[in-house]
Order: sequence, then structure tokens, then C-alpha cells
Amino acid sequence: NAGVTQTPKFQVLKTGQSMTLQCAQDMNHNSMYWYRQDPGMGLRLIYYSASEGTTDKGEVPNGYNVSRLNKREFSLRLESAAPSQTSVYFCASSPQGVGSGNTIYFGEGSWLTVV
Amino acid sequence: EDQVTQSPEALRLQEGESSSLNCSYTVSGLRGLFWYRQDPGKGPEFLFTLYSAGEEKEKERLKATLTKKESFLHITAPKPEDSATYLCAVQALGGYSSASKIIFGSGTRLSIRP
Repeated sequence: NAGVTQTPKFQVLKTGQSMTLQCAQDMNHNSMYWYRQDPGMGLRLIYYSASEGTTDKGEVPNGYNVSRLNKREFSLRLESAAPSQTSVYFCASSPQGVGSGNTIYFGEGSWLTVV
Repeated sequence: EDQVTQSPEALRLQEGESSSLNCSYTVSGLRGLFWYRQDPGKGPEFLFTLYSAGEEKEKERLKATLTKKESFLHITAPKPEDSATYLCAVQALGGYSSASKIIFGSGTRLSIRP
């Protein structure tokens, strides 16, 4: 059981380049999330999708776009990368939108460096 | 403003030396408090969910407790393999979607020396 799978694991981008982080879950979860993790900042929500066909902004959405391709897949796109987007990105999923009894499960992370 | 603070930032213990990690929170209303373990280079791994003051949950050498203002993660007789960063997250009431109201602390780095 793979759980939440992210690709790529590592990526180096030049300022201004674009790229897409891919995420897929095989747990039949309805909700999916993208977080970034920076030293001393904790995990911060970028975008989320409460269910297939819907997406909403989180705490730090600027510079990012997302696509909920189907129930399994949720991608994160950086249209014009900036050094401030150097971070570790985590995709996650939960059975419903997080509420009583629902827990968020995380992928292994994608390390992105923008030079 | 909703806030989650974990202390200490780092903790070094000798194998077998029990201790506690703290997660204090100020939120508009608590829907749930989560504990995760994160190993270097990995994603957070779910440990516990607590919903109401007085609740306790245990898993091997770990026990999580919850009061109205804070949660503790107690580690009894830790082993080197318990070394990791432990994250606390709080789901608050309010907002137009519950998914947007989860706030993570910055974690406690726990190191257990053999």
C-alpha cells in the first residue's frame, strides 16, 4: 500500500522557471492538501481540495496553482519560481475534510531549491 | 489569533530517561489535536488524535494527554529509535472550511543517546 506518493523527490530550478509537483494517493480519500515546510515555521497550507472538483487557497497560496485532476491526483504548479519558494513540499490526504475522526496522511516530501 | 507553540525546540535524553514534550495552543475552539512523528528526510507520520480535555492515548512508549490549553507527549524509557522531530497540530473551529483551520507547531527535535 503506497499511501501518498509525490514526484519528484528532488528538484533544482532557476529563478523564473516553471514546474509541477505531482501527487497521487491510493487510499480513496476525498480531500487532498499541499503544504510547505520551512525551518522554524512549521507546516503551512498552500492549497487544498476538499473533494474532487474543488480547490481552495490555504495560508500561503501566492505563486502557486493547483489542479485536482481526479480523486487520486492533486498537482501543484509553480509558474515562475522564486528563491523564496525554496522549501520542502508535502502532499497529504484525508478521508473527508479534516474533522472528528479524520486524519491527514502525508507523502514523503519533495525538496525544491530555486537558484 | 490561533497559535500553536511547542517546547522545547530540542531535547537530548539518555536512553531510558523519561521526559515530556509540550504543545500549548490558543485557538477559537478546539476540534482536535494531532501528534505526528517526523524522521529526517521523511514526511510526518501520524501518532495520535485527541478531541477533549482529559483524554489520553498510548502507543508503545508514548502517551499523549490533553488539557484545555495544552497537550503533553510523554516518552517513557525512550530508546535511540525514538529520536525524531515530534509535531503537534491543532484543528480549530471556524473558517469556511475545516481543512483550512489546522495549525502546526514547529516541532520538538528529540535525540536519544544510547
